[in-house]
Amino acid sequence: EDKVVQSPLSLVVHEGDTVTLNCSYEVTNFRSLLWYKQEKKAPTFLFMLTSSGIEKKSGRLSSILDKKELFSILNITATQTGDSAVYLCAVKTSYDKVIFGPGTSLSVIP
Amino acid sequence: ETGVTQTPRHLVMGMTNKKSLKCEQHLGHNAMYWYKQSAKKPLELMFVYNFKEQTENNSVPSRFSPECPNSSHLFLHLHTLQPEDSALYLCASSHTNGLDYTGELFFGEGSRLTVL
Repeated sequence: EDKVVQSPLSLVVHEGDTVTLNCSYEVTNFRSLLWYKQEKKAPTFLFMLTSSGIEKKSGRLSSILDKKELFSILNITATQTGDSAVYLCAVKTSYDKVIFGPGTSLSVIP
Repeated sequence: ETGVTQTPRHLVMGMTNKKSLKCEQHLGHNAMYWYKQSAKKPLELMFVYNFKEQTENNSVPSRFSPECPNSSHLFLHLHTLQPEDSALYLCASSHTNGLDYTGELFFGEGSRLTVL
């Protein structure tokens, strides 16, 4: 059965800290890995990763994929209170099936 | 505004009612999804439609019935639901060429369902 695991499940940090969120997966027919941020409502897209070792960056966020070891990390540097959210990792497989992990709940305190 | 619109945003229904959730996407995508999000549980994939054909039915009870009349619209028909079906139901869409390319999901704001 296809599975996506995230760790930690929750995290509390102070503003300015750097955090690393982890995502590992076991799926058949991997196509891509996606990261989303969910605050109160709909998840918003952050990154899509398809190739190993190529870092994607957007401001203070970055992510990388290791297809050999079947994991990805999401880094957030110089965290701000606005980064408080649930970060979701998802894997897309064949026939466009997209499976989500349980999420990491990040709280950034001033 | 993500280009994916869901209605209604909130729905309260009894266990004997029949209702429908609607999703419309204005992005020209050809894959559409229904997810269920319950408290303290991961997003659960319910159905996937690819080029209007259902390609995934993730062991969903028959009291949930999807309909995809065209690539822009997706419905979830609900009947004789149970209180444990109360959740946020999220619709999403993505672009795929059915072969080697598949893009990210764009989500609607969700329909909050309460079953009494």
